[in-house]
Amino acid sequence: AQSVTQLGSHVSVSEGALVLLRCNYSSSVPPYLFWYVQYPNQGLQLLLKYTSAATLVKGINGFEAEFKKSETSFHLTKPSAHMSDAAEYFCAVLNNAGNMLTFGGGTRLMVKP
Amino acid sequence: EPEVTQTPSHQVTQMGQEVILRCVPISNHLYFYWYRQILGQKVEFLVSFYNNEISEKSEIFDDQFSVERPDGSNFTLKIRSTKLEDSAMYFCASSRGQGEYQPQHFGDGTRLSIL
Repeated sequence: AQSVTQLGSHVSVSEGALVLLRCNYSSSVPPYLFWYVQYPNQGLQLLLKYTSAATLVKGINGFEAEFKKSETSFHLTKPSAHMSDAAEYFCAVLNNAGNMLTFGGGTRLMVKP
Repeated sequence: EPEVTQTPSHQVTQMGQEVILRCVPISNHLYFYWYRQILGQKVEFLVSFYNNEISEKSEIFDDQFSVERPDGSNFTLKIRSTKLEDSAMYFCASSRGQGEYQPQHFGDGTRLSIL
């Protein structure tokens, strides 16, 4: 079964610093991977998706993620954190049938002024 | 931008009662999903629904649960005889198609509290 693991349930960065949120996947076939963001009292919003077309994927709000098969990773980065980036971030993998997402445990990003 | 809408935002129900959570998917979407998130835990898949049939369901989705598309716009999750452990945030999602090029769009969720 496919799964994703997010290392670090909480990450704290200063405003303007690099954001790095880690996601590792487990899959016997090329995975389709997603990052979602959840702001307080809101639903899950798609940040970006990996579909094998390119290993470096750019998403909304300046975020990007790089698929590294050798490391089975799909880490999310942003060069410069903004206060508005404070939220919970979820990595997810889509099953082979394309109808079920399996989520990681989530990482809560805190941005300090 | 079209959104998935869920009502109510918060539902409080006595244990043993039935509850119906409602969702209005994005209008041109054909695939519908329910997920739940127990406080402090992962978002978990419950069920996917297409063409008036369940296409995938998890172990969580037992006989206590059912889904329905009663008309052309609503998609509902019914929980019969609720238990304390059903307390969670329930998310509805929809997609135009299946697969990596048709991402799932989520609503803001319904917080279900079982007393």
